[in-house]
Amino acid sequence: KAGVTQTPRYLIKTRGQQVTLSCSPISGHRSVSWYQQTPGQGLQFLFEYFSETQRNKGNFPGRFSGRQFSNSRSEMNVSTLELGDSALYLCASRTGTGTSPLHFGNGTRLTVT
Amino acid sequence: QKEVEQNSGPLSVPEGAIASLNCTYSDRVSQSFFWYRQYSGKSPELIMSIYSNGDKEDGRFTAQLNKASQYVSLLIRDSQPSDSATYLCAGNFGNEKLTFGTGTRLTIIP
Repeated sequence: KAGVTQTPRYLIKTRGQQVTLSCSPISGHRSVSWYQQTPGQGLQFLFEYFSETQRNKGNFPGRFSGRQFSNSRSEMNVSTLELGDSALYLCASRTGTGTSPLHFGNGTRLTVT
Repeated sequence: QKEVEQNSGPLSVPEGAIASLNCTYSDRVSQSFFWYRQYSGKSPELIMSIYSNGDKEDGRFTAQLNKASQYVSLLIRDSQPSDSATYLCAGNFGNEKLTFGTGTRLTIIP
């Protein structure tokens, strides 16, 4: 079974631009979560989608948004990029129940200059 | 706020010894815990899941959960240099969100 696929793997953007990251979950997984990882802050939860609905949201500004499609694929958008948005963005999927573990994709490395 | 806390390390262990990683959490309403391994520059990889009190063994790895004392631990027997990584503890506390600790950096010394 194929794992979680994230595209692109690397991105370089300039301040003020916007970016869209894509995630395809493991087949059969209906929940997709997004995390931001930086050396100083560790894994920070952005949001989780289940059946096209946002189920949980972390403490990030409104510049960070996401959505999930009917095939469970998900996208995350960051508008008006800031230097501090440079990070590894990780997508993870799970079957949907709260007790099931997350399975992570390889991540998208975003650099904002 | 339901928090998961880990000693950030670094933790250095000689090759062949037992590495012990610990995690405490601040809320009693817990359902499941997970240990992830993350190599530098890579994404977290699930290595153990534990749902009930007691020990769970998988190869060289043993996860221990004590809900009364609110801690979960991971033991790595016969540590190998390839075990050098950051280990993340995560818990589910009744809602749908997984809460992660900040991770413990483990170095196995040959």
